[in-house]
Amino acid sequence: AQTVTQSQPEMSVQEAETVTLSCTYDTSENNYYLFWYKQPPSRQMILVIRQEAYKQQNATENRFSVNFQKAAKSFSLKISDSQLGDTAMYFCAFMKQNSGNTPLVFGKGTRLSVIA
Amino acid sequence: DTAVSQTPKYLVTQMGNDKSIKCEQNLGHDTMYWYKQDSKKFLKIMFSYNNKELIINETVPNRFSPKSPDKAHLNLHINSLELGDSAVYFCASSPQGYEQYFGPGTRLTVT
Repeated sequence: AQTVTQSQPEMSVQEAETVTLSCTYDTSENNYYLFWYKQPPSRQMILVIRQEAYKQQNATENRFSVNFQKAAKSFSLKISDSQLGDTAMYFCAFMKQNSGNTPLVFGKGTRLSVIA
Repeated sequence: DTAVSQTPKYLVTQMGNDKSIKCEQNLGHDTMYWYKQDSKKFLKIMFSYNNKELIINETVPNRFSPKSPDKAHLNLHINSLELGDSAVYFCASSPQGYEQYFGPGTRLTVT
């Protein structure tokens, strides 16, 4: 079974600064996807970024980027130029890659507060 | 246009009642899911359906029964509600084997 660990229950960052959220996972699969989801106070789950395990290049989406280390089973999220709207719970998630449907396995989340 | 919608968004009910949560997606996806988010914000899969067929049924009490009348709908019916069922329930959909799109969630409170 896969597990996802987020070791930072809470973090804070000053507006316009950079912050990195940690995520490690455990799996025996070779093909999989990794995701970061954001959950603001509105509780909507919003996809921030995804990474295919077979890609060596780290994914980026505007101010969001990941550091994917497959051998170390590490998948951290870097938020640059933090904005007040980035305040939210952030969940790291793992999904096996196959032809069928597989559920997401989530970490316990990191609560990020961006301070003005 | 709402991609994945759930009704109701809030549900307050008493122990022992039976209630349903409805989910609809207009993305044309084959697969739909129900997740439960507990009071500590932990999200866990409950069920997965593919083209109206139940694929995954995690260790969930049989008081919970999903129903998929068609590919675009996946409803969750809960019998004999208990205090411990209080949580946020999320519906999600995905094209086969790829990222999932979540509904807005339904906050269920059992008193």
